[in-house]
Amino acid sequence: LAKTTQPISMDSYEGQEVNITCSHNNIATNDYITWYQQFPSQGPRFIIQGYKTKVTNEVASLFIPADRKSSTLSLPRVSLSDTAVYYCSSGGSYIPTFGRGTSLIVHP
Amino acid sequence: EAGVAQSPRYKIIEKRQSVAFWCNPISGHATLYWYQQILGQGPKLLIQFQNNGVVDDSQLPKDRFSAERLKGVDSTLKIQPAKLEDSAVYLCASSPTFSDRGYGYTFGSGTRLTVV
Repeated sequence: LAKTTQPISMDSYEGQEVNITCSHNNIATNDYITWYQQFPSQGPRFIIQGYKTKVTNEVASLFIPADRKSSTLSLPRVSLSDTAVYYCSSGGSYIPTFGRGTSLIVHP
Repeated sequence: EAGVAQSPRYKIIEKRQSVAFWCNPISGHATLYWYQQILGQGPKLLIQFQNNGVVDDSQLPKDRFSAERLKGVDSTLKIQPAKLEDSAVYLCASSPTFSDRGYGYTFGSGTRLTVV
């Protein structure tokens, strides 16, 4: 399974846009990139998934450059409730696999 | 739609004791997964079932961990005997089919195990 690298932590303020970048240098041709969110005392929750270029849904956008060796999760106008750990996952079987994740703290 | 149910929510045991966790997946979901999440780390896959058959248990410490999914619905994960390093949150997840996209996976809230 492909290995991913993310920043350990990030800080932001309410109303700002947050971009979390993930490196997946060994991504295979058939691999998809998936992002999950995890709150304390809960299991991870699917946020968004993509293969290339840009994907947008009601909560986030995912940007994937042409070489697909990295991806960026963009959270528009974060609120305090977006404080969580965000995991980037890549793999061809879609089975969720997780690195250490990025702990995002949103300040008032 | 009901989510993935897990019980108990918390468990404290002494080392060398045994413990069992229970998972009830979303109705109709064929695949079921058990993950172990140690504090400060991402979840690690232990075992995956397709219906009542094991697909992959390569990361399950089989000398002390066992899991079963009778009748292809509920599943139990057992640790016997427990070690201090087994202290973690044990998460169960399910999805409709083996090859679903990421949005098909639903996780339970987990069981927090503390071994003292």
